[in-house]
Amino acid sequence: EAGVAQSPRYKIIEKRQSVAFWCNPISGHATLYWYQQILGQGPKLLIQFQNNGVVDDSQLPKDRFSAERLKGVDSTLKIQPAKLEDSAVYLCASSLEAGEPLEQYFGPGTRLTVT
Amino acid sequence: TQLLEQSPQFLSIQEGENLTVYCNSSSVFSSLQWYRQEPGEGPVLLVTVVTGGEVKKLKRLTFQFGDARKDSSLHITAAQPGDTGLYLCAGAFNTGANSKLTFGKGITLSVRP
Repeated sequence: EAGVAQSPRYKIIEKRQSVAFWCNPISGHATLYWYQQILGQGPKLLIQFQNNGVVDDSQLPKDRFSAERLKGVDSTLKIQPAKLEDSAVYLCASSLEAGEPLEQYFGPGTRLTVT
Repeated sequence: TQLLEQSPQFLSIQEGENLTVYCNSSSVFSSLQWYRQEPGEGPVLLVTVVTGGEVKKLKRLTFQFGDARKDSSLHITAAQPGDTGLYLCAGAFNTGANSKLTFGKGITLSVRP
């Protein structure tokens, strides 16, 4: 079974530029998550989708971050404009369905450096 | 906001030693998971515990869920260099149908050959 795919793996941009990340979850997984992991921290949930609907985006900085999951499969996360503090690893995860117990499968992440 | 405290934050040991690390919260978990994350990779699920007092073993790793479901421990027997990595605990707090995971900051383990 193929895992969660993410691209690109690395991205370096200057502040105020825009950037987009792509995620393809495990086939058949209805729930998709985007996390931000700053160096030395655990992952922090940015947004959760159930199929193509948003379940939780309470920690998404909506003035600069946006995400979509068209057709309930792939997802993109965009930052516009980027700030220095956005430097982090952006992890995508998926699970078969929401609810307990949550068992999430993570992609390798995209390491973003904002200069 | 529910917080998970993991300790110690860093641990460097010699191959063959035993170790125990901890995950604590003031809130009750509905379930708890441990993940291991290696550099440049995403976290990989090791175990899920659901019942208070539950003990699960995965080869040389033993996971215990506290009776009150507020804490958990991970014990590694005869650590090997391959155990090196960031160990994250993640708790699910019962927020209804949309329960989600909250992660601790992680424990960085280095096992020296």
